[in-house]
Amino acid sequence: GAVVSQHPSRVICKSGTSVKIECRSLDFQATTMFWYRQFPKQSLMLMATSNEGSKATYEQGVEKDKFLINHASLTLSTLTVTSAHPEDSSFYICSARSEVNEQFFGPGTRLTVL
Amino acid sequence: ELKVEQNPLFLSMQEGKNYTIYCNYSTTSDRLYWYRQDPGKSLESLFVLLSNGAVKQEGRLMASLDTKARLSTLHITAAVHDLSATYFCAVDQYGNKLVFGAGTILRVKS
Repeated sequence: GAVVSQHPSRVICKSGTSVKIECRSLDFQATTMFWYRQFPKQSLMLMATSNEGSKATYEQGVEKDKFLINHASLTLSTLTVTSAHPEDSSFYICSARSEVNEQFFGPGTRLTVL
Repeated sequence: ELKVEQNPLFLSMQEGKNYTIYCNYSTTSDRLYWYRQDPGKSLESLFVLLSNGAVKQEGRLMASLDTKARLSTLHITAAVHDLSATYFCAVDQYGNKLVFGAGTILRVKS
């Protein structure tokens, strides 16, 4: 199956700093990528839909100025958590949609904000 | 708004027993997914169900879809410890975005 990578897999940062997470589709082009957040023992919640070459579409309640998404190429989307706070600590998972409309998930990034 | 309900949320099983996880959704959809998640890991795709009456099997897991009832089931046969994980169903509304169920934590006891 198609492969999606995420980097870094784990990051610890101080409160107030910004963190960038990369999501890459390794063997296919993805015009659409998705960013999810998962808190412990909870389900995945969609944060935003990232479309190559255009602005991301954010879900209700997700601050677009805090979670900056850039999808500059057909294989790369980035999520930047700006001015991170401890409540932003979570497991962030991206997915990329293939040409046949199936989503492939990255391995996730665990963010801990101290 | 599409809603996806999964039950049970927690399932403790004895090895060798059978059980079913249910996934109900509120509006029409063109595909439904089942995923497995191990602790600290991302999602592993188990099944994609595309049409009414679809049934797929892999090992001790079998998934089915009834689009008229808006119901999918994940049946576990003769459970083994290795099946312990969290299982999610997710509904894709016409290639737009996935909506996930709450997840079922499965623990298989020896």
